[in-house]
Amino acid sequence: DQQVKQNSPSLSVQEGRISILNCDYTNSMFDYFLWYKKYPAEGPTFLISISSIKDKNEDGRFTVFLNKSAKHLSLHIVPSQPGDSAVYFCAVYTNAGGTSYGKLTFGQGTILTVHP
Amino acid sequence: DTGVSQDPRHKITKRGQNVTFRCDPISEHNRLYWYRQTLGQGPEFLTYFQNEAQLEKSRLLSDRFSAERPKGSFSTLEIQRTEQGDSAMYLCASSPQGGGGYGYTFGSGTRLTVV
Repeated sequence: DQQVKQNSPSLSVQEGRISILNCDYTNSMFDYFLWYKKYPAEGPTFLISISSIKDKNEDGRFTVFLNKSAKHLSLHIVPSQPGDSAVYFCAVYTNAGGTSYGKLTFGQGTILTVHP
Repeated sequence: DTGVSQDPRHKITKRGQNVTFRCDPISEHNRLYWYRQTLGQGPEFLTYFQNEAQLEKSRLLSDRFSAERPKGSFSTLEIQRTEQGDSAMYLCASSPQGGGGYGYTFGSGTRLTVV
């Protein structure tokens, strides 16, 4: 079963406008929710995260919103810049029961293209 | 520190051959992960090490796959008798203790093509 879903394979936005990337999850027991950005031929780069006890986290142009009742996560980028063009993955992290570690489970990714 | 290093960046091999990839994590990170990414999908968890101990393996990791992390430093991932379905990007990541909420640091990956 797919625990994390990004239903939009791609998103195209004009420079300066807002980009909104969405992610849905199925399990209410996740501890952290994260966004990664990936450029071609590079590994994913950590962007921003939010704890399950919060509903918003902001870092510069990037804001992540968590709606636990809807099991929905979104990333807002304002203003969008051409350099933001990349694949964005949402991911969830949970500690393995009774242990001190966990693992990330990723969505399928959304290709963001920001046009000048 | 230059981050997580993976070698080689690209590997083309014939079906049935064995391949080995290497990952050098960030030196102060005691946790190391291997992920696999195929086209159009997000990275999928393969296995996890805390120091030299391999603590979890995904069911994706068949008997043909083996991973090691001797002395808790670098790690190797070996695939024996490669199949075309093994073609993917193999990503290594590391994190410090309790790094879940801060994300992992990924390497640039090894792209494997099995012909």
